[in-house]
Amino acid sequence: GIQVEQSPPDLILQEGANSTLRCNFSDSVNNLQWFHQNPWGQLINLFYIPSGTKQNGRLSATTVATERYSLLYISSSQTTDSGVYFCAVGTGGGNKLTFGTGTQLKVEL
Amino acid sequence: GAVVSQHPSRVICKSGTSVKIECRSLDFQATTMFWYRQFPKQSLMLMATSNEGSKATYEQGVEKDKFLINHASLTLSTLTVTSAHPEDSSFYICSAPRAGREQYFGPGTRLTVT
Repeated sequence: GIQVEQSPPDLILQEGANSTLRCNFSDSVNNLQWFHQNPWGQLINLFYIPSGTKQNGRLSATTVATERYSLLYISSSQTTDSGVYFCAVGTGGGNKLTFGTGTQLKVEL
Repeated sequence: GAVVSQHPSRVICKSGTSVKIECRSLDFQATTMFWYRQFPKQSLMLMATSNEGSKATYEQGVEKDKFLINHASLTLSTLTVTSAHPEDSSFYICSAPRAGREQYFGPGTRLTVT
């Protein structure tokens, strides 16, 4: 099956700093989503981005499908950005997702 | 607001008993829902695809007789963990595609088997 690797696995930032999270996948995809998992376990949808670039406030994402990677940018980070960030990809005709390994982000004052 | 709900959010049961978890799509119909499991400090792993009106499809290595899935209506899927054991303790999360391919996830159910 498809492999999804995220980097870095862990990241510590000072509040106000910018960061880039990467998601590499091993095969063609027709779905790619970025999620933030909060401390209570809820997955928050950030972006649905199988290709192209999107922005939402301090967050933006870019997927280069032909090169099999996606990037999530966080600018002016805040302590509330802390948590685990997952990318997840889908292939084929179904809607099931394969999750990446995750990036644990901690934003400190 | 939330588009997928789960109940209960947390359950503790004794070894050998069965536990049912409900997943509901709140303002849309879902012919397909998905069940994932997440162990501490790990990623989410797909367990099965729940299909309205037909049998669930299980991922390799998932015991279908242990994890019973019923998709009774276009807004409800249930996961029953039968004869639960401590190794079944985990965080169970369901999802559904709301429109097109974008998936929305429920808040999860934390199962502890004692």
